Amino acid sequence: KQEVTQIPAALSVPEGENLVLNCSFTDSAIYNLQWFRQDPGKGLTSLLLIQSSQREQTSGRLNASLDKSSGRSTLYIAASQPGDSATYLCAVRPMTTDSWGKLQFGAGTQVVVTP
Amino acid sequence: GAVVSQHPSWVICKSGTSVKIECRSLDFQATTMFWYRQFPKQSLMLMATSNEGSKATYEQGVEKDKFLINHASLTLSTLTVTSAHPEDSSFYICSAREKRGIGSYEQYFGPGTRLTVT
Repeated sequence: KQEVTQIPAALSVPEGENLVLNCSFTDSAIYNLQWFRQDPGKGLTSLLLIQSSQREQTSGRLNASLDKSSGRSTLYIAASQPGDSATYLCAVRPMTTDSWGKLQFGAGTQVVVTP
Repeated sequence: GAVVSQHPSWVICKSGTSVKIECRSLDFQATTMFWYRQFPKQSLMLMATSNEGSKATYEQGVEKDKFLINHASLTLSTLTVTSAHPEDSSFYICSAREKRGIGSYEQYFGPGTRLTVT
């Protein structure tokens, strides 16, 4: 059974520092991995999606890497800002008999960026 | 980008009553919708998958008679929590899948519904 773990559970950094968020998964048979942002009491905003054949994806200050063989992904946020404060979730889409398997989420990393 | 809406955004109900939550895909057709549940500081847990015009498929441990799901059209799915109890209090998030091409899909998430049962 696929398990997704995110470490650390919470992180506080001063504004301007780079953020490094980790995600690990137990089964490397995945279609893709996705990073989301969730603000308190809100739904999910997709940040980056990495296909299983890719090593990384970049969007602005965000960069996500994927090492499928070791079951790890890292989300880097450069030059953090207070507006980056949120919970960041990673999710994997397992390869199953269903051609489009269901997303499995980690518990998230709660980030606070202090001014 | 595609938008998924949920209504209501929050609801308070008394124990023993039923509550209906709507999920709509606003600018695309969603043949499949997913319902998730999230407890504070915990991950999203998939409750069920619903396909338009057919019965929902529930995940293990989810009571289908308690959480009634209807996906009557390509843009609307509803989740009804029947005979709600305080332990049903949670954040419910729906998600809709859009087919982009052969074997290619995008999944979009709604803003969530906060349910509090007193």
